[in-house]
Amino acid sequence: GESVGLHLPTLSVQEGDNSIINCAYSNSASDYFIWYKQESGKGPQFIIDIRSNMDKRQGQRVTVLLNKTVKHLSLQIAATQPGDSAVYFCAEKNGANSKLTFGKGITLSVRP
Amino acid sequence: GAGVSQTPSNKVTEKGKYVELRCDPISGHTALYWYRQSLGQGPEFLIYFQGTGAADDSGLPNDRFFAVRPEGSVSTLKIQRTERGDSAVYLCASSLTSAGTQYFGPGTRLTVL
Repeated sequence: GESVGLHLPTLSVQEGDNSIINCAYSNSASDYFIWYKQESGKGPQFIIDIRSNMDKRQGQRVTVLLNKTVKHLSLQIAATQPGDSAVYFCAEKNGANSKLTFGKGITLSVRP
Repeated sequence: GAGVSQTPSNKVTEKGKYVELRCDPISGHTALYWYRQSLGQGPEFLIYFQGTGAADDSGLPNDRFFAVRPEGSVSTLKIQRTERGDSAVYLCASSLTSAGTQYFGPGTRLTVL
Protein backbone atom coordinates (compact mmCIF):
# COMPACT_ATOMS: atom_id res chain seq x y z
CA GLY A 1 0.00 0.00 0.00
CA GLU A 2 0.95 3.65 -0.06
CA SER A 3 3.00 4.84 2.84
CA VAL A 4 5.46 7.50 3.76
CA GLY A 5 7.65 6.72 6.72
CA LEU A 6 10.59 8.08 8.62
CA HIS A 7 13.55 5.96 9.68
CA LEU A 8 14.09 7.41 13.17
CA PRO A 9 11.59 8.72 15.69
CA THR A 10 13.98 11.21 17.33
CA LEU A 11 17.15 13.02 16.41
CA SER A 12 19.32 14.92 18.88
CA VAL A 13 21.97 17.30 17.52
CA GLN A 14 24.35 19.84 18.95
CA GLU A 15 23.59 23.47 18.24
CA GLY A 16 25.61 24.58 15.25
CA ASP A 17 25.88 21.10 13.75
CA ASN A 18 24.14 20.05 10.56
CA SER A 19 21.01 17.88 10.81
CA ILE A 20 19.86 15.25 8.36
CA ILE A 21 16.34 13.90 8.55
CA ASN A 22 15.48 10.97 6.32
CA CYS A 23 12.23 9.74 4.86
CA ALA A 24 11.25 6.73 2.77
CA TYR A 25 8.22 6.63 0.55
CA SER A 26 6.64 3.70 -1.23
CA ASN A 27 4.36 5.23 -3.86
CA SER A 28 6.36 5.35 -7.06
CA ALA A 29 3.64 7.52 -8.60
CA SER A 30 4.37 10.36 -6.19
CA ASP A 31 5.65 13.41 -8.00
CA TYR A 32 5.70 16.10 -5.34
CA PHE A 33 7.29 16.02 -1.91
CA ILE A 34 7.17 18.47 0.94
CA TRP A 35 8.80 18.91 4.32
CA TYR A 36 6.81 20.46 7.13
CA LYS A 37 7.91 21.57 10.59
CA GLN A 38 5.46 21.37 13.45
CA GLU A 39 5.99 23.02 16.81
CA SER A 40 3.98 22.04 19.83
CA GLY A 41 0.41 23.33 19.66
CA LYS A 42 0.78 24.68 16.14
CA GLY A 43 -0.11 23.54 12.66
CA PRO A 44 2.49 22.20 10.22
CA GLN A 45 4.65 24.93 8.72
CA PHE A 46 5.90 24.60 5.14
CA ILE A 47 9.68 24.37 4.91
CA ILE A 48 10.60 23.31 1.40
CA ASP A 49 9.28 21.21 -1.45
CA ILE A 50 10.64 19.36 -4.45
CA ARG A 51 9.12 17.92 -7.58
CA SER A 52 10.10 14.58 -8.99
CA ASN A 53 11.90 16.09 -11.96
CA MET A 54 14.54 17.44 -9.56
CA ASP A 55 16.97 15.69 -7.22
CA LYS A 56 18.03 18.62 -5.09
CA ARG A 57 16.61 21.92 -4.01
CA GLN A 58 18.05 24.50 -1.63
CA GLY A 59 16.41 27.05 0.57
CA GLN A 60 17.63 29.20 3.39
CA ARG A 61 19.73 26.85 5.57
CA VAL A 62 17.76 23.86 4.27
CA THR A 63 18.32 21.46 1.41
CA VAL A 64 16.03 18.69 0.24
CA LEU A 65 17.42 15.71 -1.65
CA LEU A 66 15.30 13.27 -3.61
CA ASN A 67 16.48 9.86 -4.73
CA LYS A 68 13.73 8.33 -6.83
CA THR A 69 15.69 5.15 -7.46
CA VAL A 70 15.45 4.12 -3.82
CA LYS A 71 12.40 6.25 -3.00
CA HIS A 72 14.24 8.30 -0.42
CA LEU A 73 13.87 11.90 0.65
CA SER A 74 16.06 13.81 3.06
CA LEU A 75 16.06 17.21 4.70
CA GLN A 76 19.36 18.80 5.60
CA ILE A 77 19.46 21.70 8.01
CA ALA A 78 22.69 23.66 8.18
CA ALA A 79 23.96 25.15 11.44
CA THR A 80 21.04 23.82 13.47
CA GLN A 81 19.60 26.31 15.95
CA PRO A 82 17.45 25.87 19.06
CA GLY A 83 14.53 27.28 17.10
CA ASP A 84 14.76 24.30 14.77
CA SER A 85 13.58 22.00 17.56
CA ALA A 86 10.25 20.58 16.41
CA VAL A 87 8.64 17.56 14.79
CA TYR A 88 9.40 17.23 11.10
CA PHE A 89 7.11 15.51 8.62
CA CYS A 90 7.69 14.52 5.06
CA ALA A 91 4.62 14.38 2.85
CA GLU A 92 3.95 13.31 -0.68
CA LYS A 93 1.31 13.49 -3.31
CA ASN A 94 0.87 12.49 -6.90
CA GLY A 95 -0.55 14.50 -9.74
CA ALA A 96 -3.81 12.55 -9.77
CA ASN A 97 -4.65 13.57 -6.23
CA SER A 98 -4.42 16.81 -4.32
CA LYS A 99 -4.29 15.22 -0.87
CA LEU A 100 -1.04 14.91 1.03
CA THR A 101 0.08 11.66 2.61
CA PHE A 102 2.20 12.24 5.70
CA GLY A 103 4.65 10.09 7.57
CA LYS A 104 4.62 9.76 11.34
CA GLY A 105 7.14 12.49 12.03
CA ILE A 106 10.54 12.74 13.63
CA THR A 107 11.40 14.90 16.60
CA LEU A 108 14.48 17.08 16.24
CA SER A 109 16.01 18.14 19.53
CA VAL A 110 18.80 20.70 19.52
CA ARG A 111 21.24 20.61 22.44
CA PRO A 112 22.68 23.98 23.49
CA GLY B 1 -0.95 38.71 5.10
CA ALA B 2 -3.21 36.64 7.28
CA GLY B 3 -2.74 32.92 7.28
CA VAL B 4 -5.28 30.17 7.67
CA SER B 5 -7.35 30.61 10.81
CA GLN B 6 -9.44 28.05 12.66
CA THR B 7 -12.02 28.38 15.37
CA PRO B 8 -12.39 27.37 18.06
CA SER B 9 -8.84 26.53 19.06
CA ASN B 10 -10.16 24.02 21.58
CA LYS B 11 -13.47 22.26 21.80
CA VAL B 12 -14.57 19.91 24.56
CA THR B 13 -17.81 18.05 24.06
CA GLU B 14 -19.65 15.04 25.38
CA LYS B 15 -20.11 11.78 23.58
CA GLY B 16 -23.11 11.93 21.30
CA LYS B 17 -23.07 15.70 20.80
CA TYR B 18 -22.82 17.60 17.53
CA VAL B 19 -19.86 19.89 16.80
CA GLU B 20 -18.89 22.35 14.10
CA LEU B 21 -15.33 23.40 13.36
CA ARG B 22 -14.63 26.45 11.24
CA CYS B 23 -11.80 27.24 8.82
CA ASP B 24 -10.98 30.58 7.20
CA PRO B 25 -8.52 29.99 4.37
CA ILE B 26 -5.99 32.43 3.01
CA SER B 27 -7.80 35.00 0.90
CA GLY B 28 -7.93 34.01 -2.75
CA HIS B 29 -7.06 30.37 -2.19
CA THR B 30 -9.40 28.19 -4.20
CA ALA B 31 -8.44 24.86 -2.66
CA LEU B 32 -9.21 23.96 0.94
CA TYR B 33 -8.35 20.77 2.83
CA TRP B 34 -9.29 19.17 6.13
CA TYR B 35 -6.94 16.77 7.90
CA ARG B 36 -7.08 15.03 11.26
CA GLN B 37 -4.05 14.49 13.44
CA SER B 38 -3.90 12.06 16.33
CA LEU B 39 -1.24 12.32 19.00
CA GLY B 40 2.16 11.31 17.71
CA GLN B 41 0.93 10.82 14.16
CA GLY B 42 1.09 12.75 10.95
CA PRO B 43 -2.02 14.48 9.63
CA GLU B 44 -4.49 12.26 7.78
CA PHE B 45 -6.53 13.56 4.88
CA LEU B 46 -10.28 13.94 5.30
CA ILE B 47 -11.70 16.05 2.48
CA TYR B 48 -10.67 18.52 -0.21
CA PHE B 49 -12.68 21.36 -1.74
CA GLN B 50 -12.03 23.07 -5.03
CA GLY B 51 -14.19 26.16 -4.89
CA THR B 52 -17.55 25.28 -3.40
CA GLY B 53 -17.54 21.61 -4.29
CA ALA B 54 -16.01 18.66 -2.48
CA ALA B 55 -13.58 17.28 -5.05
CA ASP B 56 -12.41 14.40 -2.87
CA ASP B 57 -14.09 13.21 0.33
CA SER B 58 -12.47 9.80 0.40
CA GLY B 59 -10.86 10.43 3.77
CA LEU B 60 -14.04 11.02 5.74
CA PRO B 61 -14.20 8.08 8.15
CA ASN B 62 -17.99 7.63 8.11
CA ASP B 63 -21.26 9.43 7.49
CA ARG B 64 -21.11 11.22 10.84
CA PHE B 65 -18.58 13.55 9.25
CA PHE B 66 -19.64 16.21 6.77
CA ALA B 67 -18.08 19.42 5.49
CA VAL B 68 -19.34 22.39 3.52
CA ARG B 69 -17.89 25.41 1.78
CA PRO B 70 -20.98 27.22 0.47
CA GLU B 71 -19.33 30.37 -0.88
CA GLY B 72 -15.95 28.97 -1.81
CA SER B 73 -14.16 30.56 1.12
CA VAL B 74 -14.97 29.61 4.73
CA SER B 75 -15.49 25.92 5.41
CA THR B 76 -17.20 24.12 8.27
CA LEU B 77 -16.47 20.56 9.32
CA LYS B 78 -19.46 19.01 11.03
CA ILE B 79 -19.37 15.93 13.22
CA GLN B 80 -22.58 14.30 14.39
CA ARG B 81 -22.99 11.97 17.35
CA THR B 82 -19.40 12.45 18.42
CA GLU B 83 -17.46 9.49 19.76
CA ARG B 84 -14.40 9.39 22.01
CA GLY B 85 -12.38 8.15 19.06
CA ASP B 86 -13.06 11.44 17.26
CA SER B 87 -10.77 13.21 19.72
CA ALA B 88 -7.90 14.67 17.72
CA VAL B 89 -6.55 17.90 16.28
CA TYR B 90 -8.46 18.90 13.16
CA LEU B 91 -6.29 20.83 10.75
CA CYS B 92 -7.34 22.95 7.82
CA ALA B 93 -5.07 23.92 4.94
CA SER B 94 -5.51 26.01 1.83
CA SER B 95 -3.62 26.45 -1.41
CA LEU B 96 -3.86 28.94 -4.25
CA THR B 97 -4.62 26.15 -6.68
CA SER B 98 -5.05 22.41 -6.32
CA ALA B 99 -1.42 21.96 -7.34
CA GLY B 100 -0.07 24.62 -5.01
CA THR B 101 1.63 24.51 -1.64
CA GLN B 102 -0.75 23.74 1.20
CA TYR B 103 -0.56 26.14 4.14
CA PHE B 104 -1.97 24.94 7.42
CA GLY B 105 -3.91 26.63 10.16
CA PRO B 106 -3.21 26.13 13.86
CA GLY B 107 -5.86 23.45 14.21
CA THR B 108 -8.79 22.81 16.49
CA ARG B 109 -8.20 20.37 19.33
CA LEU B 110 -11.37 18.35 19.79
CA THR B 111 -11.84 16.38 22.98
CA VAL B 112 -14.84 14.09 23.30
CA LEU B 113 -15.52 13.05 26.87
